[in-house]
Amino acid sequence: DAGITQSPRHKVTETGTPVTLRCHQTENHRYMYWYRQDPGHGLRLIHYSYGVKDTDKGEVSDGYSVSRSKTEDFLLTLESATSSQTSVYFCAISESGGYNQPQHFGDGTRLSIL
Amino acid sequence: SQQGEEDPQALSIQEGENATMNCSYKTSINNLQWYRQNSGRGLVHLILIRSNEREKHSGRLRVTLDTSKKSSSLLITASRAADTASYFCATDAGFQKLVFGTGTRLLVSP
Repeated sequence: DAGITQSPRHKVTETGTPVTLRCHQTENHRYMYWYRQDPGHGLRLIHYSYGVKDTDKGEVSDGYSVSRSKTEDFLLTLESATSSQTSVYFCAISESGGYNQPQHFGDGTRLSIL
Repeated sequence: SQQGEEDPQALSIQEGENATMNCSYKTSINNLQWYRQNSGRGLVHLILIRSNEREKHSGRLRVTLDTSKKSSSLLITASRAADTASYFCATDAGFQKLVFGTGTRLLVSP
């Protein structure tokens, strides 16, 4: 398995609170991605990073921000969590990010916002 | 927006039978990938087929791609209970991104 660790694995919090999810990789891959997975929607891309301090928006980026200060860490922040952000969040990495490259996934963070 | 859509949404078979799931997509692609997701786990890459390939094999997996119909199929032969999982297709959406379908849930009963 690719060396990807997501933390925390489970979190319950209240509406309006800030939440930060962490993705840590040991593969030294350049590309990192954050997805959310919801029933009926499959996986949807939130943000991705193509290098340290280089990030871009995905399909569902509103309400989320990211930061990547080191190659190995990619943080996803919900500045003020809302119930619509209850979801399972997955981090993925890719060696070069090209369309011919597979992505390798962590085991997810289950986030519940009450 | 979703690029790929899998069909059927759910499939239930007995061990030893073959399982076929399909993926349709909307725009031209450079490649198509299939992933498996076991319950409570992340996605695992299974196979990648390029747009100039028609068929690809990996163990008990056979993937076909028909770019004229914008569709792909994943065949799992001689299914085992351990094949129980959700299966997703993914297509490239620009150089750096993938777009995933909504998945097929496969249940293989002993």
